[in-house]
Amino acid sequence: DAKTTQPTSMDCAEGRAANLPCNHSTISGNEYVYWYRQIHSQGPQYIIHGLKNNETNEMASLIITEDRKSSTLILPHATLRDTAVYYCIVRPGTSGTYKYIFGTGTRLKVLA
Amino acid sequence: GAGVSQSPSNKVTEKGKDVELRCDPISGHTALYWYRQSLGQGLEFLIYFQGNSAPDKSGLPSDRFSAERTGGSVSTLTIQRTQQEDSAVYLCASSFRAGGLTDTQYFGPGTRLTVL
Repeated sequence: DAKTTQPTSMDCAEGRAANLPCNHSTISGNEYVYWYRQIHSQGPQYIIHGLKNNETNEMASLIITEDRKSSTLILPHATLRDTAVYYCIVRPGTSGTYKYIFGTGTRLKVLA
Repeated sequence: GAGVSQSPSNKVTEKGKDVELRCDPISGHTALYWYRQSLGQGLEFLIYFQGNSAPDKSGLPSDRFSAERTGGSVSTLTIQRTQQEDSAVYLCASSFRAGGLTDTQYFGPGTRLTVL
């Protein structure tokens, strides 16, 4: 079973920041938080990952709470092309753990 | 460089026929993964390869499913005697190596299989 909980759907106005929450209250100390998105009819696209520090790349920012029980993916200026299903995944950062367990994700709709 | 590629992009077959799905990973990636996504469902792990060996095949749904990887590169997922419930998008991913500290998997576009 997935170790994360995400809202089923969210709307965001174009040009505004999209904040997608993820709850991972049972996360262990060596487990990373990964975010992927899946645009309709395409394979999942890697966005960002982190362990405990906040992370930023050209696509998004990842904010992880101090207790690591939840995180938020931030798309700073959402565009229509950001409409997708966003998956938050928790996976151990130790050797021998290889598979992703996907939950149902959050369907983000960016509105014009 | 080039991403993960999969072929065919779409496959329509009749119930009872065998099908082969191909995955070409990112060059230099030693780990390769197969997932399945049924209509409206999440992604389900099937099998992974580290090099040419498949340490865990437990995600394969039945013995009609098999996969191989040769030369540490291309992988083929074979479904024998296809059933309608096999209809799904089959996704392949690759990573530098399996289970590393930050083993990021990169996905291909998928093969949409329809069994009539």
